[in-house]
Formats: sequence, structure tokens, C-alpha cells
Amino acid sequence: DADVTQTPRNRITKTGKRIMLECSQTKGHDRMYWYRQDPGLGLRLIYYSFDVKDINKGEISDGYSVSRQAQAKFSLSLESAIPNQTALYFCATSDSPGRSTTDTQYFGPGTRLTVL
Amino acid sequence: KQEVTQIPAALSVPEGENLVLNCSFTDSAIYNLQWFRQDPGKGLTSLLLIQSSQREQTSGRLNASLDKSSGRSTLYIAASQPGDSATYLCAIQGGSEKLVFGKGMKLTVNP
Repeated sequence: DADVTQTPRNRITKTGKRIMLECSQTKGHDRMYWYRQDPGLGLRLIYYSFDVKDINKGEISDGYSVSRQAQAKFSLSLESAIPNQTALYFCATSDSPGRSTTDTQYFGPGTRLTVL
Repeated sequence: KQEVTQIPAALSVPEGENLVLNCSFTDSAIYNLQWFRQDPGKGLTSLLLIQSSQREQTSGRLNASLDKSSGRSTLYIAASQPGDSATYLCAIQGGSEKLVFGKGMKLTVNP
């Protein structure tokens, strides 16, 4: 089983709808991240959480909100979806510094979101 | 603000060539540099991570180097294979502990 899972994998929605993307991890990591990837723009950080009580805005948080329900779960919500939020969304996890020999992030398979 | 650049955006080569992928960054105050691979429709997979105090890391046919003073990293792929076809992304982790990604380089290795 994958260590980082995302649901749904694909979603088509209409402008103005509220949608939630979910991420779960079995790696036991404290840190979780949400990114979006757009052609020609690379990956950009939306929100990140270093533990259950810690939520931080990333580079492009406007129009998004998150919830860290537990160490293993981090959800991204689009309150009122708009077409320019059409993108590939990735969740990632990492361990806290000092707890691991590597600082790398582990990515989920992505959610392809289309807003019509 | 850290900026990460990968040039060229795409590269197509015949099988068997030794390849050098480039990554440049503007702020040398980094914690580490990472190279990722992304296959179409898939997530990112970490290939190599170089800590700030290190000069290079190797894994199989891959070798990554880091020169902080010049703001450059290279990913060397020896004896390229069609299975190496993917997008390769460079990412910098700075003092904020967040990753800043380059836009990636799409590699196609032709049989």
C-alpha cells in the first residue's frame, strides 16, 4: 500500500462549488504539505503543517483552506472553486529534523482537479 | 526570495548517452538540495538529497553535485535508458524549511 494517498484522484467540478481534497499518510511523519502544479509554473506551496496544531500559509494560499484532523490526515478545501484553480494538486509529508537521516519529502500520487 | 532555474526545459537524447541536467539557485544560504523525478500523471519521487555541507551524492547511475558558492547543482545520468524518460525537478530547502522547486526538465531517451 502507498504511504501517502490522496482522494479523489480526479475531480471535475463547477465554478462556485466547495470541494475538499484529502490526504492520508502511514509514514508517521509530523509534517504535511499541499502543493499545486501548473504547466510552466512548477510546484507551488499552498499550505503546510508541522504538527497537528500548527498550520501555515504557503506561497499561494488565497482561495484555499486546510484542516489537519490528525497526524495522518491533512485536507485541502476550495471554498468556492474558480477555473484558475484547475491544476494538479499534490500532498507531501516529511519527518521532523533530527528524527530522520533524510529531510526529503514523500509525495502522494496527485489529484487532477478541473473547474469548469 | 529563492529562485530555482532549470535550463533547458526539455531534452531529447538517444539511448546510451551520458547526461548532465543543470539547476541554478539565487540564494546560497541553503539547508539542502534535492533532485526529484516525476513520471506522467504520477507524484514526485526523491532521487538524491545533498546536504549543505556535502559536495555530491551518488545512487546507482545517478550522481548529483552541489556548488553553493556558484549557486549550481548538476545531476549526472550515466548510460541513459528509455526508462529514464521523465521530468526531473530540482528543489532547494532553505532556512524556512520549505522547498522551492524549479520548473523541471522533461527528459526523453529514445531507444
